[in-house]
Amino acid sequence: DAEITQSPRHKITETGRQVTLACHQTWNHNNMFWYRQDLGHGLRLIHYSYGVQDTNKGEVSDGYSVSRSNTEDLPLTLESAASSQTSVYFCASSDPGLAGNTDTQYFGPGTRLTVL
Amino acid sequence: GEDVEQSLFLSVREGDSSVINCTYTDSSSTYLYWYKQEPGAGLQLLTYIFSNMDMKQDQRLTVLLNKKDKHLSLRIADTQTGDSAIYFCAAGAGSYQLTFGKGTKLSVIP
Repeated sequence: DAEITQSPRHKITETGRQVTLACHQTWNHNNMFWYRQDLGHGLRLIHYSYGVQDTNKGEVSDGYSVSRSNTEDLPLTLESAASSQTSVYFCASSDPGLAGNTDTQYFGPGTRLTVL
Repeated sequence: GEDVEQSLFLSVREGDSSVINCTYTDSSSTYLYWYKQEPGAGLQLLTYIFSNMDMKQDQRLTVLLNKKDKHLSLRIADTQTGDSAIYFCAAGAGSYQLTFGKGTKLSVIP
């Protein structure tokens, strides 16, 4: 079955280190998204991509970067981790080609990141 | 931009109906969604409704849309303990992006 996976599921790192969170989908979806989930803030969009070589900043992009070298993967990099980036991170994908619906997103299981 | 609001908590007794409400601000929202998040898991798509519909029913779930008031509700009939979760309302305007509410935590009392 097609799916979307994230790794690692849990990560503890130290302030100042570079961290990369992986997201891989096997649906062949063009669109991929990264969100962070924090208490009191719900889901906030970090970065998104509408296809290979396309990346865009979301609402809370400072301190994060993404790259899209193929359809299946959108890794999220924290250049220099900060305690404020302790959060749960979700990856999602969507396919604008689905008849009658351009916006439905499918989510991965999440990565819990702790920055000490 | 779009703003989506929903109450943060709801508590119901097992067997009763649950109604989770949501309001949104962008009248051009084309698709309105309900997602469910169980503890430690990602968001699971429950259902969605297109903006030209008033109601959509799927087994125990009923979605009502009042486009004039920009109000969306999710009714869960015969609520079970397994329905305890956080429910997110989301709106999309056909631009591939979704705006999410902060989520309503549903607690089901046995």
